[in-house]
Amino acid sequence: AQSVAQPEDQVNVAEGNPLTVKCTYSVSGNPYLFWYVQYPNRGLQFLLKYITGDNLVKGSYGFEAEFNKSQTSFHLKKPSALVSDSALYFCAVRDPYNFNKFYFGSGTKLNVKP
Amino acid sequence: NAGVTQTPKFQVLKTGQSMTLQCAQDMNHEYMSWYRQDPGMGLRLIHYSVGAGITDQGEVPNGYNVSRSTTEDFPLRLLSAAPSQTSVYFCASSHTPTSTGEQYFGPGTRLTVT
Repeated sequence: AQSVAQPEDQVNVAEGNPLTVKCTYSVSGNPYLFWYVQYPNRGLQFLLKYITGDNLVKGSYGFEAEFNKSQTSFHLKKPSALVSDSALYFCAVRDPYNFNKFYFGSGTKLNVKP
Repeated sequence: NAGVTQTPKFQVLKTGQSMTLQCAQDMNHEYMSWYRQDPGMGLRLIHYSVGAGITDQGEVPNGYNVSRSTTEDFPLRLLSAAPSQTSVYFCASSHTPTSTGEQYFGPGTRLTVT
């Protein structure tokens, strides 16, 4: 079965500091990985994806993610956090044997303090 | 474009009642899906559709029915609501998962079953 894990329920960071939100995956086959962000009382918004190619993927709002095959990880990063980055972040993987199915992690709440 | 719209925003049902959650998109997307979001469990795929007249089951389909008579609409039906179906429901759409995979989400419906 395909799955992703987000080991941290919550991440706290001070504004201006770098942030990392962790995601590890378990996929039989080539992984197609995604990050989404959810602001309070809103639907999820796409941030970035890894399909193939460069291990460092750049996305919206200054976020980037690093794909690491040996560690089966796809951590979300940003060099300098903003208070407005505070939200719920979800990692997701597409089933490599059925592209119509996606599996999401449990989510990580990012708190950026002024 | 309105994007993905969902109605109602909130709903309270009694056990055994039935209802339909509405979802519509105006982006001419072939793929549409329904997820439920529960605390600590992330999003789980209920059903999906790859085009009018074509639907299939996701990870947690029991207790839910779907149909897709038009490209724009993808309603989710609860035939006999149970307290275990208390959740936030999100509808999403994309061109086709095989192309890009990124999905556009609606604002959600918060359902409480008493």
